[in-house]
Amino acid sequence: IVMTQSPDTLAVSLGERATINCKSSQSLLYSSNNKNYLGWYQQKPGQPPKLLLYWASTRESGVPDRFSGSGSGTEFTLTISSLQAEDVAVYYCQQYYNYPRTFGQGTRVEIK
Amino acid sequence: QVQLVESGGGVVQPGGSLRLSCDASGFSFSNYAIHWVRQAPGKGPEWVSVIAYDATQKYYAESVKGRFTISRDNSESAVYLQMNSLRHDDTALYYCATEEVGFDNWGQGSQVTVSS
Repeated sequence: IVMTQSPDTLAVSLGERATINCKSSQSLLYSSNNKNYLGWYQQKPGQPPKLLLYWASTRESGVPDRFSGSGSGTEFTLTISSLQAEDVAVYYCQQYYNYPRTFGQGTRVEIK
Repeated sequence: QVQLVESGGGVVQPGGSLRLSCDASGFSFSNYAIHWVRQAPGKGPEWVSVIAYDATQKYYAESVKGRFTISRDNSESAVYLQMNSLRHDDTALYYCATEEVGFDNWGQGSQVTVSS
């Protein structure tokens, strides 16, 4: 499954909304449980990726509620409702629907 | 708390071999599959391999199939990645990770550099 993110880079003013899109080459919706097998990660320099959301929209424990996910099937969105300085990072989507697990190419979020 | 510590990386010539280790603690290791994920400089993460909790199932990325072998020792809470016939494009930081839903725990990585 090929994962494609847009845009590659996003510059947003502090306090403004940031929106990242992710498309998969096939549906990530598993019909038996109605769940989308998609995760979102944040990676800061010198650190491993950090899981933010799973099942496309469920926040991992401790993740601020300004991070939210939406979408189903093949199109997904990560939204940061009010960008903070500490949110500067690269964000990746990743499917765990099947093997090989695959990631999007990443979206770099910067401060405008 | 969950801790994953990778080791065994280094500089190796093309065609050479390395064996990475992932030492785990803080969770019921023998109940979990463990993955290897690598990240080349300036690139996104790339999934490499996974081993089931009981080692009965193993999967590999096409790019490493036939060259890399994953194994585990539940008595030692460790997973290994034997890497043979290394190529320049295997140069990366190699992470081990657990997966509940998504990769929820990662180590800090072990650097592998393939260079002549």
